[in-house]
Amino acid sequence: AQRVTQPEKLLSVFKGAPVELKCNYSYSGSPELFWYVQYSRQRLQLLLRHISRESIKGFTADLNKGETSFHLKKPFAQEEDSAMYYCALRTWEAAGNKLTFGGGTRVLVKP
Amino acid sequence: SQTIHQWPATLVQPVGSPLSLECTVEGTSNPNLYWYRQAAGRGLQLLFYSVGIGQISSEVPQNLSASRPQDRQFILSSKKLLLSDSGFYLCAWSVPDTIYFGEGSWLTVV
Repeated sequence: AQRVTQPEKLLSVFKGAPVELKCNYSYSGSPELFWYVQYSRQRLQLLLRHISRESIKGFTADLNKGETSFHLKKPFAQEEDSAMYYCALRTWEAAGNKLTFGGGTRVLVKP
Repeated sequence: SQTIHQWPATLVQPVGSPLSLECTVEGTSNPNLYWYRQAAGRGLQLLFYSVGIGQISSEVPQNLSASRPQDRQFILSSKKLLLSDSGFYLCAWSVPDTIYFGEGSWLTVV
């Protein structure tokens, strides 16, 4: 069965420092991975997806199939990056597509 | 444009009471629909997903059930709530590219 692991529950960094959120997945098929973010008092929203190979709000994530990882990185963290981040894996089941989330990492950017 | 509505936003229910959380989607047809729960100190857990009217897949055994009486309506229910049912419940819908979430419902069972 598929699984998504985010080993860090909390990451605390200073403004301007680099930040990296780790995500590892377990899936026998071809993975489709996402990062979602939930800012305080807002709904969960998509940050980026691996197939787009895009940079959103300065964040990037590279899919490493050899290491089964999809770590999220930003070279210079900002205070507004403080939020809850979830890594997610989409799989296609007989009953439809399913999104499996990791446990989440809370990022706190200190001034 | 598509929107998703979920209600109620918060509720406090006694142990043993029933539960009904509703979710509706506008601006799309035949969406995949999901119920997730975020328990305190834990991540998002998929509870149910549905690919069509009356088609429900359950991910984990629990005290909850889901129904899809209409194409764009998804309901999460319980006949008798347990303390462990407390948490933050999220409804979501998806198209092939991505998934969109409602604003969530905070449930406290006392």
